[in-house]
Amino acid sequence: TQLLEQSPQFLSIQEGENLTVYCNSSSVFSSLQWYRQEPGEGPVLLVTVVTGGEVKKLKRLTFQFGDARKDSSLHITAAQPGDTGLYLCAGAGGSNYKLTFGKGTLLTVNP
Amino acid sequence: DVKVTQSSRYLVKRTGEKVFLECVQDMDHENMFWYRQDPGLGLRLIYFSYDVKMKEKGDIPEGYSVSREKKERFSLILESASTNQTSMYLCASSSPRQGPRQPQHFGDGTRLSIL
Repeated sequence: TQLLEQSPQFLSIQEGENLTVYCNSSSVFSSLQWYRQEPGEGPVLLVTVVTGGEVKKLKRLTFQFGDARKDSSLHITAAQPGDTGLYLCAGAGGSNYKLTFGKGTLLTVNP
Repeated sequence: DVKVTQSSRYLVKRTGEKVFLECVQDMDHENMFWYRQDPGLGLRLIYFSYDVKMKEKGDIPEGYSVSREKKERFSLILESASTNQTSMYLCASSSPRQGPRQPQHFGDGTRLSIL
């Protein structure tokens, strides 16, 4: 069974601060996806990284896939209250690209 | 836009009842998934299906079964509901045609309480 360790589990910061969320595994994944989930809704895809070493930017969010395709990070610059939510990493593997999810990071950005 | 619709947002049932959770997607996706989400445990895969009438067990299939008679519909069945099945249930769909980049599209979830 593939496992994804996500840290930290909780993060409470002030508006304008920077933060990084980590996702680590001993397994190699075909791709690594990041989702964001708001209360009362299902997760929504933010980004998919496929190539080892790949870096993707989405406005103030920067996603990186490790060279060995076993780990990933999400960095948010100048966090805003609208960034509040549950961030989930998910690794895809197998012929049907079944996802293994991390346990999530609950981010609260205080105004 | 892909739409995954779960039949109920909130559901309250009694121990021992047979419970049906329905999920419909409108994007002709081959793959469909059922997860449960619990605080501190994240999303755990119950069952998935990659074609009509096909199903595979996920990580926690005990106490559940599924049905996929039509491509767009994937049902989760709790054969005899128990209190430890109180949870948020999420349905998702995806298409293997996009390869490793394929996202999963989620419904808004069903919060199920078993009394």
